[in-house]
Amino acid sequence: QVQMLESGPGLLKPSETLSLTCTVSGGSIKNYYWNWIRRPPGKGLEWIGYISNSGGTSYNPSLKSRVTISVDTSENRFSLKVTSVTAADTAMYYCARDHGDRVNYFDYWGQGILVTVSS
Amino acid sequence: QLVLTQSPSASASLGASVKVTCTLSSGLARHFIAWHQQQPGKGPRFLMMPNADGSHTRGDGIPDRFSGSSSGAERYLIISSLQSEDEADYYCQTWGTDIRLFGGGTKLTVL
Repeated sequence: QVQMLESGPGLLKPSETLSLTCTVSGGSIKNYYWNWIRRPPGKGLEWIGYISNSGGTSYNPSLKSRVTISVDTSENRFSLKVTSVTAADTAMYYCARDHGDRVNYFDYWGQGILVTVSS
Repeated sequence: QLVLTQSPSASASLGASVKVTCTLSSGLARHFIAWHQQQPGKGPRFLMMPNADGSHTRGDGIPDRFSGSSSGAERYLIISSLQSEDEADYYCQTWGTDIRLFGGGTKLTVL
């Protein structure tokens, strides 16, 4: 069974860069699309973006100017960077896999990691 | 405008059934959706996706108490024989070229 684990710093100061990694086990990172999603306190889920099996990316237009998603197939993991963070970026961050075959629901999720932005 | 709309809250009694609604904007009216559950303090998990032939694709270990249906632009998650652990946030999700979308979520209270 596929398992996904997010890792990275949990506390950032405003204007810093958020960097998270999602390590995938139980299956290859190849041949799927991989997503980042977040949930701010008191709000719902927000899709951040994905990286495809060919390395192509797509981002939520509301975050596009600050977000980069990359993949390291040799380590079976992918990463998220968000620049110039503010308190509004405080959230639980989750990684998730697209099912694929043009049916792109998220079939596996990580447990999440809390990122707090505070001075 | 690509929007999925959910009522913020729903409630039903233990052992009863409940229907959670997700309304698709006009640009999405023919899209398939999936449902995800987030229990308090846990990460989200994939619940199920209704298929075109009336069957359901369910996540690992998800019982058939969870099912789906649709009518026009509305998609429904139906939970029968409600249990206390069903108290959670439920999200509909759809996809398009280069985009993934969530509804705002429905908080289900089991009375």
